[in-house]
Amino acid sequence: GAVVSQHPSRVICKSGTSVKIECRSLDFQATTMFWYRQFPKQSLMLMATSNEGSKATYEQGVEKDKFLINHASLTLSTLTVTSAHPEDSSFYICSARDPSIWNEKLFFGSGTQLSVL
Amino acid sequence: AQSVTQLDSQVPVFEEAPVELRCNYSSSVSVYLFWYVQYPNQGLQLLLKYLSGSTLVKGINGFEAEFNKSQTSFHLRKPSVHISDTAEYFCAVSRVQGAQKLVFGQGTRLTINP
Repeated sequence: GAVVSQHPSRVICKSGTSVKIECRSLDFQATTMFWYRQFPKQSLMLMATSNEGSKATYEQGVEKDKFLINHASLTLSTLTVTSAHPEDSSFYICSARDPSIWNEKLFFGSGTQLSVL
Repeated sequence: AQSVTQLDSQVPVFEEAPVELRCNYSSSVSVYLFWYVQYPNQGLQLLLKYLSGSTLVKGINGFEAEFNKSQTSFHLRKPSVHISDTAEYFCAVSRVQGAQKLVFGQGTRLTINP
């Protein structure tokens, strides 16, 4: 079945550094990918919708300059957390839509646990 | 806008007992409904979904859910749980028309005790 690969699974960084998270659709072309953020014991909150070849659409309250999204190809979207701070520590999950499946089934990556010291 | 409410944040159950995880939603337009499971430090796996047709939907791992339009509910059930069912469960909705992005509930932590 369709698989979405997310890398890295865990990252620890110093405050002020930038971190890039990759999301790849392994056996289908994803014109749309979604980035979610999950705080401990809370639900997933949509951060942005990533569209191949165009600018991402950010949800209200999400800083586009802090969370840079690039969807340069049909199989890869990246989320870069710029100048990370401890409050950015969270679990980030991407998902990709397989347009070849009726109703465009959504597949999720395994997530990235970001810890900012 | 859509919203999802999962009424129980934690549900402890003994092994082989039945379980029901409750989910209510609010939407002014037609929606699709989903249940996802999340194991520790992993992404989400789709358990089942309601798109149309029969209101009783069967999913993986013996789970099923029933869509009740009048009560705007989509409760998840399993007649006999196993230790391996211990996980976080999320109910979600998406609009039938439009962006189709998912709106998640707060999650229910299901703990199976031996």
